[in-house]
Amino acid sequence: DVKVTQSSRYLVKRTGEKVFLECVQDMDHENMFWYRQDPGLGLRLIYFSYDVKMKEKGDIPEGYSVSREKKERFSLILESASTNQTSMYLCASGIAGEQYFGPGTRLTVT
Amino acid sequence: QKEVEQNSGPLSVPEGAIASLNCTYSDRGSQSFFWYRQYSGKSPELIMSIYSNGDKEDGRFTAQLNKASQYVSLLIRDSQPSDSATYLCAAFKAAGNKLTFGGGTRVLVKP
Repeated sequence: DVKVTQSSRYLVKRTGEKVFLECVQDMDHENMFWYRQDPGLGLRLIYFSYDVKMKEKGDIPEGYSVSREKKERFSLILESASTNQTSMYLCASGIAGEQYFGPGTRLTVT
Repeated sequence: QKEVEQNSGPLSVPEGAIASLNCTYSDRGSQSFFWYRQYSGKSPELIMSIYSNGDKEDGRFTAQLNKASQYVSLLIRDSQPSDSATYLCAAFKAAGNKLTFGGGTRVLVKP
């Protein structure tokens, strides 16, 4: 079974803090993804990576950056958290459209 | 127009009946299509993939694809209360390695 784990299930941060969300997969997938999911807006792609140290912007990259130093690990960084970044963050890994999601991190920025 | 459109529901189905979910997509360059199931408070889980026109069956699930009409559907036969969830349709395009999700259809199976 594919396993994708995320560092936290729930996180509360203050406006302006730097936030790190980490994701680890154990299936040796080259592709990894970060999404956010909001009611009424659905799943939106923030960034993805197709190889170590490679990244591509998704639909909503503003305010975020990513890091992929090892194949199994993909980190999402909020450089200066804002209240409009309160959301559910989902990491996935996979091949093409077959993606396997982690349990998600519910981030609240106050 | 959203790239992948679904009726948000809820689609209410009696236990044992067939649930029929529909999805349309706008990008004719989309090559493959996927259905994900998401239980409340959980993350999406891949349940079906379909790559060519026609039907694909897997247990109680049947996915249907019509590329000419840009239409994808999912049938759930013998619906169970445990099928109550939101079902996300997604279209994949190799150029750009992009998977685009619809907003999801909420399904309620009533005993």
